[in-house]
Formats: sequence, C-alpha cells, structure tokens
Amino acid sequence: AQSVTQLDSHVSVSEGTPVLLRCNYSSSYSPSLFWYVQHPNKGLQLLLKYTSAATLVKGINGFEAEFKKSETSFHLTKPSAHMSDAAEYFCVVTEGLKAAGNKLTFGGGTRVLVKP
Amino acid sequence: DTAVSQTPKYLVTQMGNDKSIKCEQNLGHDTMYWYKQDSKKFLKIMFSYNNKELIINETVPNRFSPKSPDKAHLNLHINSLELGDSAVYFCASSRGQGFSYEQYFGPGTRLTVT
Repeated sequence: AQSVTQLDSHVSVSEGTPVLLRCNYSSSYSPSLFWYVQHPNKGLQLLLKYTSAATLVKGINGFEAEFKKSETSFHLTKPSAHMSDAAEYFCVVTEGLKAAGNKLTFGGGTRVLVKP
Repeated sequence: DTAVSQTPKYLVTQMGNDKSIKCEQNLGHDTMYWYKQDSKKFLKIMFSYNNKELIINETVPNRFSPKSPDKAHLNLHINSLELGDSAVYFCASSRGQGFSYEQYFGPGTRLTVT
C-alpha cells in the first residue's frame, strides 16, 4: 500500500526567501512521485515528477525536488518565492503495480502564503 | 485549446436529485479519471477508465456511475444526491495507465447539495 504525508499544512514565507515543502511517502514498490500545484479555484497543474531516473528533479517555475530513498522523502524547494507561488501544493505517489493502474495517492496538501 | 474540460463548472442542486458532470479531453489520451476533493482539500480517486474499460473503481457508493462513450469522454452520473456529495470533482487524463504517466486535470466542478 502507498501513502503520503505532507508535514506542514501551512507554510508562510516572505517574497524572495526560500520555500521548503516537506513530503514523506510510504510504498511497497518502486514509486513514482509528483508535486502538483493548485491555485485558488483552479485545477491541478504538474510541477515536477520523479520516475526512477535522476534523484534531483527540476520542474517548472524554478521548483525542484530531491528523492531520498533512505529517508523516504521527496521535499519540494524553490530558492526565491514569488507572490504567484501562493497556492496549495500536493505531494503525490503512485506505485509500479499494473493491477493498480495509475492510481495517484495524494498528500493532505500544504497551503503556501507569500508575504510581500 | 482547453486540454481537459468539464461541464458544468458549478452545480447547485437539492438532496435527492440526479445530476451528471461531463468531461472531455482533446489530448488523445487513452486513460481518464474522476477524483473527489472534499472541503478539507483532500483528493481521492473515484474511478479510472482505459479505452472505455473500467480499471479502477474505489469504494464509492453505487449512486455514482461513470460512463465512457468513447476514449475522449468520461461522464459522472450521480443518483439521489446527498449532502455529503458536496465537493469539487476533478476529471483527469493520461497517455496510458502506467504508473509513471503524468495526469492532466480539468478545472473542476463544484457541486453543492442543499
């Protein structure tokens, strides 16, 4: 079985400072991991994904995430926050089980607030 | 062009009614999904279809019935609506059902049951 825990429900940062969103996962098989962003009243947009290639993954809008198997973590970072980064962020895991199809399991979300 | 579209965007209805939400994707994808996002923003998969065949059916009340007339469409019909059905419903699609394929989400349908 797979599960995802986002360690912070809310993160508040000042514009121009680094952002760190923490995610831990549990998976019985080799997982694929994703970060999605949801802006207010919008659908979800993929930021980046890890699928067993390079452990440091670069995504859109300056975000990156590092897969650490020993720590079962997939934390999302950005060196300098922008006002437009204010949104809800979801860490997502899916397992390499054909029977499971492409079933995404979502974390509880982290709401990011960016202060001017 | 909108990749994954849903209609309607908002749906307000009374308990006991039957309603449908439609989803269309123009990406040429083989697999489509329905997700439910509750008031606490928690997202959970409900159904998945691959080439019109049901492949994921989570523990969802029988009142919910997905229908896929073709690869590009996946509709969700809900009978006898209840207050607890109030949520945002997202449709998504992916190129295949392999676990590494990214999913593309629609804008969501906010269902309010009064």
